[in-house]
Amino acid sequence: GNSVTQMEGPVTLSEEAFLTINCTYTATGYPSLFWYVQYPGEGLQLLLKATKADDKGSNKGFEATYRKETTSFHLEKGSVQVSDSAVYFCALTTNTGNQFYFGTGTSLTVIP
Amino acid sequence: DAGVTQSPTHLIKTRGQHVTLRCSPISGHKSVSWYQQVLGQGPQFIFQYYEKEERGRGNFPDRFSARQFPNYSSELNVNALLLGDSALYLCASSFNPPGVAGYEQYFGPGTRLTVT
Repeated sequence: GNSVTQMEGPVTLSEEAFLTINCTYTATGYPSLFWYVQYPGEGLQLLLKATKADDKGSNKGFEATYRKETTSFHLEKGSVQVSDSAVYFCALTTNTGNQFYFGTGTSLTVIP
Repeated sequence: DAGVTQSPTHLIKTRGQHVTLRCSPISGHKSVSWYQQVLGQGPQFIFQYYEKEERGRGNFPDRFSARQFPNYSSELNVNALLLGDSALYLCASSFNPPGVAGYEQYFGPGTRLTVT
């Protein structure tokens, strides 16, 4: 089946620290991978995506590389800011499916 | 351009009642999906519609139903509400149908449903 596993949170970092949030997946068919971000009281915003193996998605200093050999799509940012505090969701959809599958989310808090 | 809009923002219902949630997709998007997000969890798929046809249904009871209108807006209906239906209900729209390369979803702010 299709599923996404994210690292457990919450994660607390100091401003300007390096961020990694791990995400691994299982999929039938050919998956596209996504990271969404959810700020308090809001819906999900698309952060970045990658649609084929070895693609790197990037946006607002965040990046993630689609690794087929390790079935992973880890999110990274070199220097986090207080404004990055949010919940991050890894998700996939496949070329044979009709829905997105989400991980449980990782809460990030960045302290000044 | 306006993003996905949902109404109402919040509502409180009593067990056994029914509720209707509404969603307007991004202009030009013909696909609408509904998700339930329980506190502390990721969104769970409920329904997907494309061009007014149901294209997918998640593992939810028959108390949940939906439809899409000719203008591509959508309604989610939940009958005989249970306490466990309390959640954030998210609507997402997309330009492409599911399974097409480049398929991506854009989410609305959600409707917070509380069942007492």
